[in-house]
Amino acid sequence: DGGITQSPKYLFRKEGQNVTLSCEQNLNHDAMYWYRQDPGQGLRLIYYSQIVNDFQKGDIAEGYSVSREKKESFPLTVTSAQKNPTAFYLCATRRGGVTDTQYFGPGTRLTVL
Amino acid sequence: AQKVTQAQTEISVVEKEDVTLDCVYETRDTTYYLFWYKQPPSGELVFLIRRNSFDEQNEISGRYSWNFQKSTSSFNFTITASQVVDSAVYFCALSELIQGAQKLVFGQGTRLTINP
Repeated sequence: DGGITQSPKYLFRKEGQNVTLSCEQNLNHDAMYWYRQDPGQGLRLIYYSQIVNDFQKGDIAEGYSVSREKKESFPLTVTSAQKNPTAFYLCATRRGGVTDTQYFGPGTRLTVL
Repeated sequence: AQKVTQAQTEISVVEKEDVTLDCVYETRDTTYYLFWYKQPPSGELVFLIRRNSFDEQNEISGRYSWNFQKSTSSFNFTITASQVVDSAVYFCALSELIQGAQKLVFGQGTRLTINP
């Protein structure tokens, strides 16, 4: 089946630890995105990548890092520098062309203990 | 700067009622796209519709309809004969293109509860 997978669904982390969230897609979409959602809030853009080996900071990139070594994968690392990492993280891909739209994965809920 | 406002934080109606979710946006672009997404309790955002700024025709899809009015910078979403399964958080979003990259600006969402 084509789609976007994010793992794990729930993640718990101790303060001071780095943690990596996985995002994989088999839709053959070039662009991928990471968003953060806090309770009662809309989504905010963390990082995005238009092609392999290239990525740009979004609106709230501080304390996060990404890599894009393969078209199918766009992992997000939440570092210890991120002051308030507890949130719901959503990965998206963009299907360009006539129906230019972003599609979202199921999300990862990160809780810092 | 681009901005999307969903003034209704929460709406609660009884099943079979019609309900309209409001979305007002701000942009300086002449070409832009507007979106609606649904977020059920599972958390995943489900794409509902994309509207081009040049196309002001209203759209209907089953019980869903969208009213785009450029003059008032609004893109409202109506659910007719609501059902319990429509309960979710709904997001309106505006796209901007920056060096070929599509960036979405989201409203804060409207939590819709349909009571049986």
